[in-house]
Amino acid sequence: EAQVTQNPRYLITVTGKKLTVTCSQNMNHEYMSWYRQDPGLGLRQIYYSMNVEVTDKGDVPEGYKVSRKEKRNFPLILESPSPNQTSLYFCASSPPVYPSGYNEQFFGPGTRLTVL
Amino acid sequence: QKEVEQNSGPLSVPEGAIASLNCTYSDRVSQSFFWYRQYSGKSPELIMSIYSNGDKEDGRFTAQLNKASQYVSLLIRDSQPSDSATYLCAVNSGGGGADGLTFGKGTHLIIQP
Repeated sequence: EAQVTQNPRYLITVTGKKLTVTCSQNMNHEYMSWYRQDPGLGLRQIYYSMNVEVTDKGDVPEGYKVSRKEKRNFPLILESPSPNQTSLYFCASSPPVYPSGYNEQFFGPGTRLTVL
Repeated sequence: QKEVEQNSGPLSVPEGAIASLNCTYSDRVSQSFFWYRQYSGKSPELIMSIYSNGDKEDGRFTAQLNKASQYVSLLIRDSQPSDSATYLCAVNSGGGGADGLTFGKGTHLIIQP
């Protein structure tokens, strides 16, 4: 089954304790992205990656890191989480469509993170 | 700064009626337009995409695009209680645009039985 998976689905942690949220897709998509979703603010892009070893900042990158060593995986790293990073996080992937640009994005199930 | 605007709602529609959801966008060069449905606590699910001016129909859903007015809409015919969700409008600037989609904040739709 074609899908985007995220782990963990739920996480409660404490301020300053490094954590990683994994994201994997089995659709051979080149483009992957991380979003956070907060009430009243909608979906905001954190980081994206156009391909292996190519990553770039989205709208709200502060406090986050990413890596893209393999095409299928795009982990999100919080080196020192703070309470304002409590949010619902989504990973998404997309196949490229040329020349119009990137096409529909397919979302993972989400990770609900609480930082105490 | 690219912006996508939606009325947050809630938009309340009787069962069996037509629900009309609207979206405007600021980036005139936008080329790809999407409607996602999101149930509370769940991930967004793509329901419609549209790339050319005019209407595109898929079952009970019709997407409408007017690039001159920078306006996208979604019509849901014969609305069902299961259509109650938040609908997100998303826009991509295209041209190999690497920054993905810009999302509106969503319209909360309630279908009244």
